[in-house]
Amino acid sequence: GNSVTQMEGPVTLSEEAFLTINCTYTATGYPSLFWYVQYPGEGLQLLLKATKADDKGSNKGFEATYRKETTSFHLEKGSVQVSDSAVYFCALSDLGGSYIPTFGRGTSLIVHP
Amino acid sequence: NAGVMQNPRHLVRRRGQEARLRCSPMKGHSHVYWYRQLPEEGLKFMVYLQKENIIDESGMPKERFSAEFPKEGPSILRIQQVVRGDSAAYFCASSPATGNEKLFFGSGTQLSVL
Repeated sequence: GNSVTQMEGPVTLSEEAFLTINCTYTATGYPSLFWYVQYPGEGLQLLLKATKADDKGSNKGFEATYRKETTSFHLEKGSVQVSDSAVYFCALSDLGGSYIPTFGRGTSLIVHP
Repeated sequence: NAGVMQNPRHLVRRRGQEARLRCSPMKGHSHVYWYRQLPEEGLKFMVYLQKENIIDESGMPKERFSAEFPKEGPSILRIQQVVRGDSAAYFCASSPATGNEKLFFGSGTQLSVL
């Protein structure tokens, strides 16, 4: 079956530090990959996506590249802000297999001033 | 253009009572997903519905839980005879069609069982 594995949190950084949150996946077909962000007290919202190998998704300074050879989709940002503090979820949707979006456990990011 | 609306935002029930969680998808969306979020466990899929049909309920507990998405009105997630272990945040998401993989989430219902 499909699965998504994320690095455990919390990740604690100082403002302007470089961020990496690791994500690897297992899928039976050809998945699309996503990062969602959940701010306190809110639902998840899509941050970025990539639909095929070597695609790079980007939004609000965040980037992630679809690496089929390593089955990874790591989230990066060059300079984090306090307002980036949230929980980040890696997810996949596999149209060739189960189309039900599968989420990782989430990684909490805490950014200090 | 309202987003996905869930209510109530917070629901407190005593053990043995029933909990009804409501979800109105975004306008034009006919696909609804329910997820449960437990601390340290992330987001777990429960059920996927289209209007008047349950498409996939592989994540639903076999007993006490049911879901519907009638032709008119919101989708309902119903939990009968709640137990403390049902305490969690329940999120609804909608999409316009299968294959359009982006999900739009509501703000969730926090269920607390006393």
